[in-house]
Amino acid sequence: QVQLQESGPGLVKPSQTLSLTCTVSGGSISSGGYYWSWIRQHPGKGLEWIGYIYYSGTTYSNPSLKSRITMSVDTSKNQFSLKLTSVTAADTAVYYCARDRTGYSEFDYWGQGTLVTVSS
Amino acid sequence: QSALTQPASVSGSPGQSITISCTGTSSDVGVYNYVSWYQQHPGKAPKLMIYDVSNRPSGVSDRFSGSKSGSTASLAISGLQAEDEADYYCSSYTSSSTLVFGGGTKLTVL
Repeated sequence: QVQLQESGPGLVKPSQTLSLTCTVSGGSISSGGYYWSWIRQHPGKGLEWIGYIYYSGTTYSNPSLKSRITMSVDTSKNQFSLKLTSVTAADTAVYYCARDRTGYSEFDYWGQGTLVTVSS
Repeated sequence: QSALTQPASVSGSPGQSITISCTGTSSDVGVYNYVSWYQQHPGKAPKLMIYDVSNRPSGVSDRFSGSKSGSTASLAISGLQAEDEADYYCSSYTSSSTLVFGGGTKLTVL
């Protein structure tokens, strides 16, 4: 059974960089075929796709966030990561990592989500 | 990219059937059969209910079904049960090689 777990600071100051890591267990990131994804949900709001990364390092991201996003994968640790720069209060959200099994929005496994608050 | 359009809320009584619509454009729903639906209970991660417009993952009740006409996809739930009360989100692949979600629909079982 594949499991995903987000980790990272729950509080980030404005203008700083939000950094999150997703640890995958029960399956190997390097086995290929899957798109390792980040999705966020503002408090009381809907889902927003941030982007995903293939095990090879190829990334695709939301155009509205692309200039501030860096995604990476560490196959040796079976982890993938998200960095979001120059954060503001508008980046306060629950951040989920998830596995997209095709790249066409088939998120079959999700982390539990982690709340990141941007505040001074 | 703009979010797909869903009604903010729908409701139905136990045993009834409801439909949730998801309207996109000729750059997403209208051109690809890559529409998915997710169910989200409060405080929980979303759960994949439908993929590729009308396919159900293993373990999802056959009371859930999906369809598409033009740029509008739909999720139908028959035989409503109390446990179906949740938020539902559609999602689509786009011509920009990105993904987009709908704004979400709150289903209330009366």
